[in-house]
Parts: sequence; C-alpha cells; structure tokens
Amino acid sequence: DADVTQTPRNRITKTGKRIMLECSQTKGHDRMYWYRQDPGLGLRLIYYSFDVKDINKGEISDGYSVSRQAQAKFSLSLESAIPNQTALYFCATSDLGDTIYFGEGSWLTVV
Amino acid sequence: GESVGLHLPTLSVQEGDNSIINCAYSNSASDYFIWYKQESGKGPQFIIDIRSNMDKRQGQRVTVLLNKTVKHLSLQIAATQPGDSAVYFCAENIAGGSYIPTFGRGTSLIVHP
Repeated sequence: DADVTQTPRNRITKTGKRIMLECSQTKGHDRMYWYRQDPGLGLRLIYYSFDVKDINKGEISDGYSVSRQAQAKFSLSLESAIPNQTALYFCATSDLGDTIYFGEGSWLTVV
Repeated sequence: GESVGLHLPTLSVQEGDNSIINCAYSNSASDYFIWYKQESGKGPQFIIDIRSNMDKRQGQRVTVLLNKTVKHLSLQIAATQPGDSAVYFCAENIAGGSYIPTFGRGTSLIVHP
C-alpha cells in the first residue's frame, strides 16, 4: 500500500463547483502539505500543516482551503473552481526536517 | 541552473552515458538536500539525500555532490538507462526547524536508446 494516498486521482469539474481532494498517510508524520504542479513548472506550495491544530498558507493559497481532520488526513478544497486551477495536485508528508513523501497526484480539470 | 519560461531545462543523453544534473540552492542555512525523480503522470520519488556535513554520497548508480561554498548540488547517474528518463528535482531543507522544503523547477532527462 502507498504511504500517501490521494483521492480522487482524476476529476473533471465545472467552473464554480466546489471540489475536495482528500489525502491520507500511513507514515505517522505530523507534517502534511498540498502542492500544485503545472506543466513545465515546479511544485508550488498551497497549504501546509505541522500538526493537527496547525494550518499555514503557502505561496499560492488564494482560492483554496484545507482541513486537517486527523494526523493522517489532510484535505484540500476548491470552494469555487475556475479553469486556471486545472493542474496536477500533490499531497505530501514529512517528519521534522526530513524527506518529503509524495502521493501519486490528483489530476484536476476545470471546464 | 534554473531557466526562465515554461520549458524545463532538458538534458539529452545516449543510453550508457553518464548524466549530470545540476541544482543551485538559495538558502545558506539549508543543511539537508534531497533529489527526487518524477516520471510522467506520477508523484516525485526519493532518490538520494545528503546532509551538509558531507560533500559526496553514493547510491546505486547515483552520486550526489554538494558544494556549500557556491550553494550547488549535482546528481550524477552512471550508465544512464531509458528508464531513467524523467524530471529530476532537488529540494533543500533545514533539519529540526519550521523551514518549509524548497524545490527547484526540475530538469528533464531524456535518454535515447
């Protein structure tokens, strides 16, 4: 089983719809992250959480929100999806200052 | 190094050649560095890491070199194979703190049979 599991893996949604991407990890790490990747570009941090009670904005948080339901679960929501949010989204987890482990990604297309 | 624009830096090599992928990092306080491999449509996967108290670390067919003086990291892949074709990212981190790991844009490695 994967250390970091994302659902759904692929989703097509309409402009203005709310969509949630879910992530769970079995590493037992406190830190979790959501990244966005656009074609030809690197990973950009959307939100991160250092523990269940901690939520922090990353460099591109506008239009997104997150919820840390448990140590193992960190979900990303697009409250009102727009086409330029079409991208590949990665959830990740790490221990303090250690290697980051990524999920397989969630392809989101907003039409 | 990094390039401006939408296209990733690309390195094309022949199968069997050695590949060297470079990365410049920005934070002189960074003390932990990681190389990731990302195949098309997949998540980045850990390849090898190095702490700042070392300047070289070897794995299976891969070697990472760290030059803290010029804040430069390189990944060397020996006897490159078609399965090595992917995008390679470096990441810098600070152990034990609240620092968020920073990723480079990546280099696309294309291995020709």
